[in-house]
Amino acid sequence: AAGVIQSPRHLIKEKRETATLKCYPIPRHDTVYWYQQGPGQDPQFLISFYEKMQSDKGSIPDRFSAQQFSDYHSELNMSSLELGDSALYFCASSLGSLGEQYFGPGTRLTVT
Amino acid sequence: GENVEQHPSTLSVQEGDSAVIKCTYSDSASNYFPWYKQELGKRPQLIIDIRSNVGEKKDQRIAVTLNKTAKHFSLHITETQPEDSAVYFCAAPNGHNQGGKLIFGQGTELSVKP
Repeated sequence: AAGVIQSPRHLIKEKRETATLKCYPIPRHDTVYWYQQGPGQDPQFLISFYEKMQSDKGSIPDRFSAQQFSDYHSELNMSSLELGDSALYFCASSLGSLGEQYFGPGTRLTVT
Repeated sequence: GENVEQHPSTLSVQEGDSAVIKCTYSDSASNYFPWYKQELGKRPQLIIDIRSNVGEKKDQRIAVTLNKTAKHFSLHITETQPEDSAVYFCAAPNGHNQGGKLIFGQGTELSVKP
């Protein structure tokens, strides 16, 4: 079965640079969630979209923005990167806002 | 908002033994409780979930129980195998939605010794 696709899988950036992470949900899934996971930490919710509209917002810095496109894929844009942004970024998708969330393989972002 | 507490943080068992991980939540309106298994550097994998209209759900060697009165739910793994070694996270939705953003517990690192 098709799963959530994320790209790139690994990304190395320098401080103050920008990064764009992409997420392609499971076919027919209309809801996308972004989570950030630091080493040894639990996933922390950043933002979600349902039917291309922002549905919820968590502890996402103002330097980050995201959107969901007409084909339901989502992009997380990160600017003015800081060392503390180094983490695993997971995208999850669900069918409707009440469905089970399935996670993608993640993007490992390293800021140097 | 929802607050989820998970314990123990680490658990070591012998192969073949059972393992139990417990979580408590704060929002009595929460009605969906998933469990995720995460191997090192991999994605959280949904292994089982339970909704508030049932008290127990079982899938082969894993089961989840829910006590809404006490606001706690538990993951039970029987006949543990070395490949069960991973970090397990419980979660609950924030707010009244059955789905929506998930608030995760702190995780339990399970080690199954052969």
